[in-house]
Amino acid sequence: KAGVTQTPRYLIKTRGQQVTLSCSPISGHRSVSWYQQTPGQGLQFLFEYFSETQRNKGNFPGRFSGRQFSNSRSEMNVSTLELGDSALYLCASSLQNTQGVYRTGELFFGEGSRLTVL
Amino acid sequence: AQSVTQPDIHITVSEGASLELRCNYSYGATPYLFWYVQSPGQGLQLLLKYFSGDTLVQGIKGFEAEFKRSQSSFNLRKPSVHWSDAAEYFCAVGGTADGGYNKLIFGAGTRLAVHP
Repeated sequence: KAGVTQTPRYLIKTRGQQVTLSCSPISGHRSVSWYQQTPGQGLQFLFEYFSETQRNKGNFPGRFSGRQFSNSRSEMNVSTLELGDSALYLCASSLQNTQGVYRTGELFFGEGSRLTVL
Repeated sequence: AQSVTQPDIHITVSEGASLELRCNYSYGATPYLFWYVQSPGQGLQLLLKYFSGDTLVQGIKGFEAEFKRSQSSFNLRKPSVHWSDAAEYFCAVGGTADGGYNKLIFGAGTRLAVHP
C-alpha cells in the first residue's frame, strides 16, 4: 500500500512569490492534515480537511490556505512568501469513518516538502 | 492553554541500555496522547497512542508508554535500545473527537543518540 506522497520534495522561492504544495493521501484515507516544522517553532498545525471541508485551522495568517479534492488529494498554498515561511511542510493522512471521528490523531505522515524562501 | 513539554532536548544512551523519554502535558479534557518518531530526512511515524483504558500501552519497535493522570505525564520507555533507534521523538496531545480531530499539539522533541 503506497504511503503519503508529497510533491515537490524540495523547492526554492523568493520573497513575495507564492507556492503550491501537493499531497496524495493513503488510499482510503479521507482526512488530510498539514503541519509546518521549523527549528524555532517546532511542529505546528496548519489545517485539516475531511471530505473536502476544512474542519480545523491552526493559528496561521490568511496567506496560508488549502483545499481538498473529491479524491482526497490536498493542496496547500502560501502566498506572498516571507523568509520565515522557510520550513518543512508535512502532510498527514488519517483513516476516518463517515462521522470523521474514528481514531483521530493517528496520522500517517509523508516525507515533507522542504521550502526555502530567499 | 494546551501544551506539551519534553524536558530533555538531547539524550545519549549506549546500545543495549534502557531508555525513558519524558513528556508532560496540559490539556483541559481527557487527552488522547501519542508518541511519534522522526528519522533524519523523514516524516513522522506513530509509535504508540493512548485513548483510554489500560494506562500502559505497547507500541511498535519494542516501545511502551505509561499514562499517569496524577502527574500529567506520558513517558516513553524501551528496555534495550538499538542503534537504529537514534532519531527524534515527539510527544503529542489532542486528536479528540470534540473538535480536535487531527489537530495535534506537539512537544519540542527529544533527539536521541545511541553510542555503540
